[in-house]
Amino acid sequence: DAKTTQPPSMDCAEGRAANLPCNHSTISGNEYVYWYRQIHSQGPQYIIHGLKNNETNEMASLIITEDRKSSTLILPHATLRDTAVYYCIVRVATGNTPLVFGKGTRLSVIA
Amino acid sequence: GAGVSQSPRYKVAKRGQDVALRCDPISGHVSLFWYQQALGQGPEFLTYFQNEAQLDKSGLPSDRFFAERPEGSVSTLKIQRTQQEDSAVYLCASRTSGAHNEQFFGPGTRLTVL
Repeated sequence: DAKTTQPPSMDCAEGRAANLPCNHSTISGNEYVYWYRQIHSQGPQYIIHGLKNNETNEMASLIITEDRKSSTLILPHATLRDTAVYYCIVRVATGNTPLVFGKGTRLSVIA
Repeated sequence: GAGVSQSPRYKVAKRGQDVALRCDPISGHVSLFWYQQALGQGPEFLTYFQNEAQLDKSGLPSDRFFAERPEGSVSTLKIQRTQQEDSAVYLCASRTSGAHNEQFFGPGTRLTVL
């Protein structure tokens, strides 16, 4: 079972920041937080991951609370193309463990 | 470069038919995963290969499901005697070696069993 809890859906105005929360209160010390997204009719796409420090890449920023029990994925300037289901996943760093997906958050970016 | 490709993209089968779904991973990717995604749900793990070795098949729902990767590149997921509950999108993902390398997913094959 997924070890994360996410809201089922969110809306965001185009051009505004989208902040997607994730609770992972049972995360272990050796588990990382990963985010993937799935655009309609496509396979999931990796976005970002982190352990305890905040991370930023060209797609998004990841903010992890100090106690690591929750995190927020930030899309700084959402576009219509960011409409997708976003999955928050916790997993150990051993690369070949399968991804355990929950139901994710369906983000709708509105013009 | 080319990503993960899957074929066919859509497959309709009558109940009881056998189906074969193909995955072409990114060239050089050692690891290959199969996932099943039911409508409205997140993907669920089926099986994992490292090169030609099937190291984990704990997610296969029944002995009607069989996967192979004989030469360590292309993989085939076979479902025998399909049932309506097998209707889903079947996703393939590949990755290179290394702890944090992300999984790259194909577009999936949507299987509908009538």
